[in-house]
Amino acid sequence: AQSVTQLGSHVSVSEGALVLLRCNYSSSVPPYLFWYVQYPNQGLQLLLKYTSAATLVKGINGFEAEFKKSETSFHLTKPSAHMSDAAEYFCAVRVNSGNTPLVFGKGTRLSVIA
Amino acid sequence: SAVISQKPSRDICQRGTSLTIQCQVDSQVTMMFWYRQQPGQSLTLIATANQGSEATYESGFVIDKFPISRPNLTFSTLTVSNMSPEDSSIYLCSVGAGRSGANVLTFGAGSRLTVL
Repeated sequence: AQSVTQLGSHVSVSEGALVLLRCNYSSSVPPYLFWYVQYPNQGLQLLLKYTSAATLVKGINGFEAEFKKSETSFHLTKPSAHMSDAAEYFCAVRVNSGNTPLVFGKGTRLSVIA
Repeated sequence: SAVISQKPSRDICQRGTSLTIQCQVDSQVTMMFWYRQQPGQSLTLIATANQGSEATYESGFVIDKFPISRPNLTFSTLTVSNMSPEDSSIYLCSVGAGRSGANVLTFGAGSRLTVL
C-alpha cells in the first residue's frame, strides 16, 4: 500500500533561514504527491502538488518541492523562512487515478524563531 | 475549487452522547471523504461517501460508530455515536474535483469535538 514518511515531527529554523521539510513515499507505481499546510485552528490548504509534468514544483508562499524518483522523495523547501510560515505541514500521496482519497504523513510542525 | 462548510465548528460533548456533523459543498461532487485528526496527529481516513450508495469504511472504523448519510451531491453528515473521550478529535470532510489522480482534495475547516 502507498504511504508517505515525514522525517522529523518538529523542525525549528531562524527567520530568513532555509526551510527543508522531508517526505519520502512508498509506491510501486508513479504517485501523485501533495503538500498541505495547516495553520493553527484552521483547515488544510494546498501548497503544491506533483503530477509528473515537472519534477520541480513551485507552490504558494514561495515554497517548492522536487520529485526525485531515485530517492523516492518529495522534500519541501523555501529559501527564506518567514514568521508566518509557522504551521503544521503534511505530505500526502495518491497512487490510484481517479477521485480517490489521499494518504497523509504524520506531519511536521515548523517553528520559526525571530 | 469547491467551498466546504462544516457545522458545528466545535462542540463539547458528554460521554455516551452522539453528535452529527454536517458538510455542505457549494457544487455537486460524486465523492466525499471524511477524515479524523486526533490531537497532535495526522489525518486518518474514516470513510468514503458516494452519493446513492453505502459509505465505504476504512479498517478500524465501523458504521455503527460513525454512520454517514449522503442524501444528495452537495451534502453529507457524519455521526459520532456513543462518544468517549477517545473520540475527541477534529473531523474534516473533503471533496475532490475531476477524475484525474492529480485532482486536489479541498477540505472543510473541520469540526473540533471535545468529549468529557
